[in-house]
Amino acid sequence: TQLLEQSPQFLSIQEGENLTVYCNSSSVFSSLQWYRQEPGEGPVLLVTVVTGGEVKKLKRLTFQFGDARKDSSLHITAAQPGDTGLYLCAGALSNFGNEKLTFGTGTRLTIIP
Amino acid sequence: DAGVIQSPRHEVTEMGQEVTLRCKPISGHNSLFWYRQTMMRGLELLIYFNNNVPIDDSGMPEDRFSAKMPNASFSTLKIQPSEPRDSAVYFCASSSRLAAREFFGPGTRLTVL
Repeated sequence: TQLLEQSPQFLSIQEGENLTVYCNSSSVFSSLQWYRQEPGEGPVLLVTVVTGGEVKKLKRLTFQFGDARKDSSLHITAAQPGDTGLYLCAGALSNFGNEKLTFGTGTRLTIIP
Repeated sequence: DAGVIQSPRHEVTEMGQEVTLRCKPISGHNSLFWYRQTMMRGLELLIYFNNNVPIDDSGMPEDRFSAKMPNASFSTLKIQPSEPRDSAVYFCASSSRLAAREFFGPGTRLTVL
């Protein structure tokens, strides 16, 4: 059973457009992380959100944690080809910091120059 | 820091052969995770260790898979005998309570013919 569902599964848009990807669950998470994975590499952490309703910005990327801590979204403004990659959300059920994460199904994003 | 080191980066073997994947976590990290990634199933946690002790191996597919962590700086994932359906990219990641995030290695791409 996949605890974290991401949508859309694939997204291909033109450079300069805006986009939002979603991460949804029926479970409550203590924290949620977003990772980006490029071809031939392992996932790399982008951000961690901890508080329900929290919004974090990383340059053109805006991350939001749902009020109930069951879902999250990632919004990219003015997408660039360098944003291309696999975006994974991952939830932690505890606050211990090094416990296992549950990874989502992933959104494969392609930005067309 | 060199980051998480995995070897080999690529492995091609024939069905029935034994395969051993190796991982060196980041120095000072006390949690180590083995993942498998495929297009069909995404990123799946196989097993994780805290302080060299296996904590959760519920993701290990079957008895053909085994993992060891003899000390804080080395872990192996062994598949014996290997099957074509084991073809995937295998990632090792490490973490610590202070880091509160997982650092992934570059992965081992395994092809079983």
